[in-house]
Amino acid sequence: KAGVTQTPRYLIKTRGQQVTLSCSPISGHRSVSWYQQTPGQGLQFLFEYFSETQRNKGNFPGRFSGRQFSNSRSEMNVSTLELGDSALYLCASSFGMGFQNEQFFGPGTRLTVL
Amino acid sequence: KNEVEQSPQNLTAQEGEFITINCSYSVGISALHWLQQHPGGGIVSLFMLSSGKKKHGRLIATINIQEKHSSLHITASHPRDSAVYICAVRSQETSGSRLTFGEGTQLTVNP
Repeated sequence: KAGVTQTPRYLIKTRGQQVTLSCSPISGHRSVSWYQQTPGQGLQFLFEYFSETQRNKGNFPGRFSGRQFSNSRSEMNVSTLELGDSALYLCASSFGMGFQNEQFFGPGTRLTVL
Repeated sequence: KNEVEQSPQNLTAQEGEFITINCSYSVGISALHWLQQHPGGGIVSLFMLSSGKKKHGRLIATINIQEKHSSLHITASHPRDSAVYICAVRSQETSGSRLTFGEGTQLTVNP
């Protein structure tokens, strides 16, 4: 089975622009979670999607949004980029949402905002 | 105070040494994860625990729910074990997959 894939792997944007990141989960997995990793804040939960619905949301401003498609692929969007949005963005997929479902992480998208 | 605390933050060992990384948490949890992150960013899930002990090769993870504490042990450490090890918990308060992470332990194993 192919693992979780994320595109693009690297991205450079300038302040004020917007960006869309994509995550394809493992086949059969219906839950996709997004995380941000920065040197200062570490890993933080952004949001989780299951069956095309956002189920959980972390403490991030409304500039961060996402969606999930019927094939479980997910995208996250960041509008009006700020320097502090430079980070590694990771997505993780699992079969379901229950605690017994293990999450599998993708390789991440490294976003640099100049 | 962070909900998940790891110690030590940095650890240097000689090849072959027995290594222990500790994780303490302050919330009720439904599961605890140990993750490994290599340079370049990719994260690999090592263990998911809700009680007791799990073993995989040279890695052992234990959890004490009453004491809100977990340990990750590496026996006969090897330079390829050099990575950041991250403890993450799934709170009982949330119904989904949301994880709260420790700050990570940077492990360096010298030959």
